[in-house]
Amino acid sequence: NAGVTQTPKFQVLKTGQSMTLQCAQDMNHEYMSWYRQDPGMGLRLIHYSVGAGITDQGEVPNGYNVSRSTTEDFPLRLLSAAPSQTSVYFCASIKGGNEAFFGQGTRLTVV
Amino acid sequence: GQQVMQIPQYQHVQEGEDFTTYCNSSTTLSNIQWYKQRPGGHPVFLIQLVKSGEVKKQKRLTFQFGEAKKNSSLHITATQTTDVGTYFCDSGGYQKVTFGIGTKLQVIP
Repeated sequence: NAGVTQTPKFQVLKTGQSMTLQCAQDMNHEYMSWYRQDPGMGLRLIHYSVGAGITDQGEVPNGYNVSRSTTEDFPLRLLSAAPSQTSVYFCASIKGGNEAFFGQGTRLTVV
Repeated sequence: GQQVMQIPQYQHVQEGEDFTTYCNSSTTLSNIQWYKQRPGGHPVFLIQLVKSGEVKKQKRLTFQFGEAKKNSSLHITATQTTDVGTYFCDSGGYQKVTFGIGTKLQVIP
């Protein structure tokens, strides 16, 4: 099993550009989440999904959109990138009982 | 999910010394999970605690869940350089997994 696959690993955007971070899991987990990690801030929840067709906001949702059309995929869209969105992004797929499996992360720089 | 406070935020230890990090909540937790993130890596699940007073061991790591299920600790005996990283606890509910800020452990050889 591949587990959680996150792409791309690195990305540089210009302010105002949009992009989609991809996340796919092959473990048939219902729950998936997106986090951003900044120095001294820990992992902050952006959006999460409890199943296909269902998404909800986390702690820091502004500037990001998500959709969950299938169990496997949970893409994160940056609508208009801003320097404040420079961060490391992690997607997680969550097994019932709260064990989270993380992707390798995307290091995003917005200039 | 219920937020927890994790302390300390940073810890430097000499190799061979012990290390402990704590997660504290003002409310009773259903369960708690611990993760480790190596520098430049992604968080990796270590263990889950569910029962009041539960103690679990993984080699040099000892995990405890408080009797009141409001706090938890991770203790590492005789740290090694391979223990370097950030340790997170998570007390998220079934639908929402949220993390403490983590404890960053540096081990001085």
